[in-house]
Amino acid sequence: LAKTTQPISMDSYEGQEVNITCSHNNIATNDYITWYQQFPSQGPRFIIQGYKTKVTNEVASLFIPADRKSSTLSLPRVSLSDTAVYYCLVGELGRGSTLGRLYFGRGTQLTVWP
Amino acid sequence: EAQVTQNPRYLITVTGKKLTVTCSQNMNHEYMSWYRQDPGLGLRQIYYSMNVEVTDKGDVPEGYKVSRKEKRNFPLILESPSPNQTSLYFCASSLLRGEGSPLHFGNGTRLTVT
Repeated sequence: LAKTTQPISMDSYEGQEVNITCSHNNIATNDYITWYQQFPSQGPRFIIQGYKTKVTNEVASLFIPADRKSSTLSLPRVSLSDTAVYYCLVGELGRGSTLGRLYFGRGTQLTVWP
Repeated sequence: EAQVTQNPRYLITVTGKKLTVTCSQNMNHEYMSWYRQDPGLGLRQIYYSMNVEVTDKGDVPEGYKVSRKEKRNFPLILESPSPNQTSLYFCASSLLRGEGSPLHFGNGTRLTVT
């Protein structure tokens, strides 16, 4: 079971780019890396997912080095509404998978200041 | 609307009184799972189910039971709740497909056991 390590908290200002790194040294060959965002009293919400190299969508980018032992979530030009907890999740969950055990860890509290 | 629905949203009960938290999804997802969230500990998986009649333990299964008799429902059962089960609970589901499959979360159930 691939466990993850993230910073407990980060601070930023509006308009800045924020990079949150997650370490997952024992990632398995079939594991994907997924990031979720959670606001207080709400369920986590999917942001982005990747397997290797770089993935970009309308809200974030995900950078994964060749050895896949870490990943970096990049949020461009953050706003106050990006204040939330961000979780990095490593696991295999696809067709034919028999592995449903997932480890979320403690997440990173991002606070964006005006 | 595609969603994961948990009920109730809030529940206050007393030690030893059996309770059930329901979870239902309308997306025909094979995979469903339960998590508890406590301050400073992040999300911890309680149980998961890869499909109907297939369930397995997560990281913190003690004191909980689950069942998966139908694809859409995955209730969490506390046979004899104790105060250390006071927590925020989330249910999630996912479609097992050819690549990594994101989780869809419910809005949570805040349980207080006195």
